[in-house]
This record gives sequence, structure tokens and C-alpha cells, in this order.
Amino acid sequence: TQLLEQSPQFLSIQEGENLTVYCNSSSVFSSLQWYRQEPGEGPVLLVTVVTGGEVKKLKRLTFQFGDARKDSSLHITAAQPGDTGLYLCAGAWEKKSSGDKLTFGTGTRLAVRP
Amino acid sequence: EAEVAQSPRYKITEKSQAVAFWCDPISGHATLYWYRQILGQGPELLVQFQDESVVDDSQLPKDRFSAERLKGVDSTLKIQPAELGDSAMYLCASSRGRHSGNTIYFGEGSWLTVV
Repeated sequence: TQLLEQSPQFLSIQEGENLTVYCNSSSVFSSLQWYRQEPGEGPVLLVTVVTGGEVKKLKRLTFQFGDARKDSSLHITAAQPGDTGLYLCAGAWEKKSSGDKLTFGTGTRLAVRP
Repeated sequence: EAEVAQSPRYKITEKSQAVAFWCDPISGHATLYWYRQILGQGPELLVQFQDESVVDDSQLPKDRFSAERLKGVDSTLKIQPAELGDSAMYLCASSRGRHSGNTIYFGEGSWLTVV
């Protein structure tokens, strides 16, 4: 079973602070996705990274895929209360002719205080 | 934008009863996934379909859970009999499938409470 460990598990910060969430595995993935989930809702895709070393930016969010495609990080600059939620990384590896298999990390619950 | 539809959104059932969840993926999506998410944890894959065929059900508790996608479009996940530990959110997702790199889209989920 491929495991994705996220850290920290919980994070409570003040509005305006920066933070980084880490996603680590011993497995190599064909791609890695980051999701944000609000209470009672399904996960919503933020970004997909495919190439080792790739960096993608989405407004105040910066995503990086490790060179070996085993780990990833999510950095949020100047966090806002609207960033509050559960952040999930998910590693995908290709299954021939049957679509990707997606394994989720343990999740990081972020609370941004006004 | 097309969405993955799930129903019911909320279900309360007594233990030992049967319960079923329905999912309609985005039109044209060949791959359909059922995930279970316990409160505070990441989703866990229960079953993956490619068209009408099961390609991965290694984590599906087959003594009580069953899933089907008869015509390769919509899908049903059934639990019989339900147990207290089955209380969770059941998420359906879909992707174009057939090769790597396709975005996987999730529905809003079905909350199950077993009492």
C-alpha cells in the first residue's frame, strides 16, 4: 500500500502569516494533486503537478513537486480566513488502460484566525 | 461546468439495514471511483471502474459492500448490512480515464450515519 504522509496534521495561524504543508511518500508518482475540502463537501482540485521539480503558482499558493516525484509541498503566503479548510495531497500512478489510481494523504487541517 | 452527481446527500440508517448510494459521473468519463472518507481523514479508495469493469476493489469489504456500473455510466454502491463503523462520507469521482494525467473530479459526497 502506497502511503502519503502529510505534515503538519493541524495548523492554526493568524491572518497574514505564511505556512507550508508537506506531503511525503516512499513511492514515485506519475503526478500529484492537491485538493482543498470544505466541511461537508467533496474535495476540490487546486493543482496537478506532473514533472519532477515542477513549481506551480495559484495566486497566493505555491506548489512544488519533488525532483524524484515522491514528495510535494504547498506554501501559502499571507494566509486569509478564506483559506481555512482541509488540504489533501493525492498521488497518482498510471494503471495501463484503466485510468489513474489516486491515493490520498492523511490531510492537513488549516484554521486561519482573523 | 459539468459535475459529478451523487444522491442522497444525507442518509441515516439503523445498523443491519441496507443502504445504497447513486453516482452519475461527468458525461464521457470512462473511469469512476468510489471513496470512503472518515471524518478528519483523507479519502480511501473502495472501488475503481473502467467503463463497466471493476479494475480495483482490493479495499472494498466484499462481505457487506457491493458496487456496480452495469452500463458503464452511472453507478450504485450498496452496503448490507450496515454497521456503526460504516458512518462516513462516501465520495464518487470520475475522470476521462484510459491513460494517465486526467483530472479526477469529485461529487459533493453522501453522508452516512449508522445508528
